[in-house]
Amino acid sequence: GQNIDQPTEMTATEGAIVQINCTYQTSGFNGLFWYQQHAGEAPTFLSYNVLDGLEEKGRFSSFLSRSKGYSYLLLKELQMKDSASYLCAVQGGGSYIPTFGRGTSLIVHP
Amino acid sequence: SAVISQKPSRDICQRGTSLTIQCQVDSQVTMMFWYRQQPGQSLTLIATANQGSEATYESGFVIDKFPISRPNLTFSTLTVSNMSPEDSSIYLCSVTGDRGVNEQYFGPGTRLTVT
Repeated sequence: GQNIDQPTEMTATEGAIVQINCTYQTSGFNGLFWYQQHAGEAPTFLSYNVLDGLEEKGRFSSFLSRSKGYSYLLLKELQMKDSASYLCAVQGGGSYIPTFGRGTSLIVHP
Repeated sequence: SAVISQKPSRDICQRGTSLTIQCQVDSQVTMMFWYRQQPGQSLTLIATANQGSEATYESGFVIDKFPISRPNLTFSTLTVSNMSPEDSSIYLCSVTGDRGVNEQYFGPGTRLTVT
């Protein structure tokens, strides 16, 4: 199976930068997703990392280190609307079907 | 990205009854997935549904409890059978995108409450 660990909750200030970490243990790693989920809504796709390094997409960036079993999602210039749950999901065990972590609830305050 | 709709969006059901959830996609997709998200929890995969074959169920989920149909490449149904309060959850349909397994999109979900 896969073990995926992320902090349960984080708080940050509007305009700041926040980094949400995800560590995982798996064999047969194929890729890692980050999703954003607002309360009562479906998860929306943010990023997908296969190779080591940083992928930047606007205010959001995602980093992967396969050797360390580690990823982070970096959110810059935080806005109130970024308050949501952020889910890390790993394709592992030789499968392309992702296993989801429990999610990190991010609260952005003024 | 694929546009996914689900019906119903929410329902309140009595224990012992069954509910069928529909998932419609605006384009043909090979792989469709059904997930459950219990209150305060992350997503758990119930099964993978491919057109023309039986659904593949994850550990802890069985066909008698969660029968799935996949009659074509744009539609699937999930039935929650003989419901109990423990089945209260959000049920989400998901598909992979045009680029394959490095994109996965979710429907809006069906919020089920069993009394």
